[in-house]
Amino acid sequence: EAQVTQNPRYLITVTGKKLTVTCSQNMNHEYMSWYRQDPGLGLRQIYYSMNVEATDKGDVPEGYKVSRKEKRNFPLILESPSPNQTSLYFCASSLNGITEAFFGQGTRLTVV
Amino acid sequence: GIQVEQSPPDLILQEGANSTLRCNFSDSVNNLQWFHQNPWGQLINLFYIPSGTKQNGRLSATTVATERYSLLYISSSQTTDSGVYFCAVRQGAQKLVFGQGTRLTINP
Repeated sequence: EAQVTQNPRYLITVTGKKLTVTCSQNMNHEYMSWYRQDPGLGLRQIYYSMNVEATDKGDVPEGYKVSRKEKRNFPLILESPSPNQTSLYFCASSLNGITEAFFGQGTRLTVV
Repeated sequence: GIQVEQSPPDLILQEGANSTLRCNFSDSVNNLQWFHQNPWGQLINLFYIPSGTKQNGRLSATTVATERYSLLYISSSQTTDSGVYFCAVRQGAQKLVFGQGTRLTINP
């Protein structure tokens, strides 16, 4: 089944403790991206990647890192999480930057 | 940047009713998608419809690209249709820009 898989689905962590949210797609898509969703602010792009070893900042990249060493994986790294990064996070992929995007199940992160 | 406006912001209906959700966008686009966010937070793809009309069961969508709007029709609503419906557009190889959503509540 074609899908985008995020892990974990839910995470509660403490301020400053490094964490990684994994994202994997099995559709051989070139374009992958991360969004966060917050009440009143909607969905905003954090980072995106056009292909392996090609990443770029979205609208709200501060406090996040990404890497794209393989086409299928695009992990989101929070090196020192803060409470303002409490949010619902989505990973998405598409064949290229134009075609239909598919989203993962979401990761609900709480930083205390 | 491109602006996306959805209307109405909230819609409450009885089971069995029909509804029309609207998405207006401020510039030409090469990608328009409709999503349903269910109560568990998952974003479900409904339609990829940069132009034209598509149907999938009780749902259909129409995009008139030249007039910069898209409509999502839901017929014979069921309680499982409840949730938030998002329209999202993309210009070129750029990020998806989402509207603020329409919150649909279907009462039994």
